[in-house]
Amino acid sequence: AQSVSQHNHHVILSEAASLELGCNYSYGGTVNLFWYVQYPGQHLQLLLKYFSGDPLVKGIKGFEAEFIKSKFSFNLRKPSVQWSDTAEYFCAVSRGTGKLIFGQGTTLQVKP
Amino acid sequence: GAVVSQHPSWVICKSGTSVKIECRSLDFQATTMFWYRQFPKQSLMLMATSNEGSKATYEQGVEKDKFLINHASLTLSTLTVTSAHPEDSSFYICSALPGHYEQYFGPGTRLTVT
Repeated sequence: AQSVSQHNHHVILSEAASLELGCNYSYGGTVNLFWYVQYPGQHLQLLLKYFSGDPLVKGIKGFEAEFIKSKFSFNLRKPSVQWSDTAEYFCAVSRGTGKLIFGQGTTLQVKP
Repeated sequence: GAVVSQHPSWVICKSGTSVKIECRSLDFQATTMFWYRQFPKQSLMLMATSNEGSKATYEQGVEKDKFLINHASLTLSTLTVTSAHPEDSSFYICSALPGHYEQYFGPGTRLTVT
């Protein structure tokens, strides 16, 4: 079955630590890739997206992600997390129809 | 720009009654809107694709007679949960697609069925 898989379900980091959240998908062909963030009590916000071109994508708030086609991966990274990054992070894939298939989500808890 | 609103933000209803949730794109037109369901501590599950002026397309396993979707205009889609039961309690989120790739999400509606 086609799916999006996030490897880390719950991550706890101290402030200033580096972050990497894994995301793999099982679709062949052309895909559009997204990372969304959901802060406590707030709606989903787009962190970054990849459609084509440079596989290293920079997003808001210092986040970046790298698309590795051969590995079907789109991992999210941030060199130094802050307490305010505490949130739920979702990887999502679209095949051009607009329909998004979401991963299970990763809860990030940053300790001050 | 690209703001999507939902109304109500929270609703409590009795089992057997119907509830309507509105999703509006405030500053853009969207021929396509999506409805998702999110259980606590879980991911978003796509329920249906709402297209302006045509019937909604439901994902496998979603009861179309239970979750009625109407996309009456380019800025409004509604989801009606008919004959709601406690197992329908969930967080319902809509999104709107102004172009071809990026969609914008509403804040969600928490439905509690007692």
